[in-house]
Amino acid sequence: EPEVTQTPSHQVTQMGQEVILRCVPISNHLYFYWYRQILGQKVEFLVSFYNNEISEKSEIFDDQFSVERPDGSNFTLKIRSTKLEDSAMYFCASTEEGAHGYTFGSGTRLTVV
Amino acid sequence: QKEVEQNSGPLSVPEGAIASLNCTYSDRGSQSFFWYRQYSGKSPELIMSIYSNGDKEDGRFTAQLNKASQYVSLLIRDSQPSDSATYLCAVNSRGSTLGRLYFGRGTQLTVWP
Repeated sequence: EPEVTQTPSHQVTQMGQEVILRCVPISNHLYFYWYRQILGQKVEFLVSFYNNEISEKSEIFDDQFSVERPDGSNFTLKIRSTKLEDSAMYFCASTEEGAHGYTFGSGTRLTVV
Repeated sequence: QKEVEQNSGPLSVPEGAIASLNCTYSDRGSQSFFWYRQYSGKSPELIMSIYSNGDKEDGRFTAQLNKASQYVSLLIRDSQPSDSATYLCAVNSRGSTLGRLYFGRGTQLTVWP
């Protein structure tokens, strides 16, 4: 079964530092997403990405965040100047046209200290 | 603000029973509806998708949709201890399955032997 792969599984960073979360979507998928889930809370949409550009972003996805597809396989989320409240599980997802829902990666747990 | 509401539970049923999970949504224009299962510390896993009013069955799972009442439910027949997880209702307001998902907080289900 094809998988969405995320690295690292756990990242600890100091407040104010920059982090890059990495994702390898399923190879024939063209639509990519980042979601986050703060402990005990809802899964929240951050951004969607298609054809090398952002197709939609939420109110959470401000100038602190950016996404990139630097090559044909990776999809990254960069968080600049991290804050304590950025601590969460970050999920990457991908899908293709006509699919029923999308496939989530196993997540990166980000802890900001 | 597009809201998705679920009974937070916890819901506890004996092995072999039917578990019934409910979800309401606020955006009357919503088109696509999904149920995800999330084990503790893991990523959401798609169980069912439903787009039209009525019932959709897949093995032990049945999703039910009533757009007039803005209500979607998931029935799990012959519940097994391995079904113990948090069940997330997710709604997409667009006609395609590619857009942003709005998630409920989830209902925690425990199936006891």
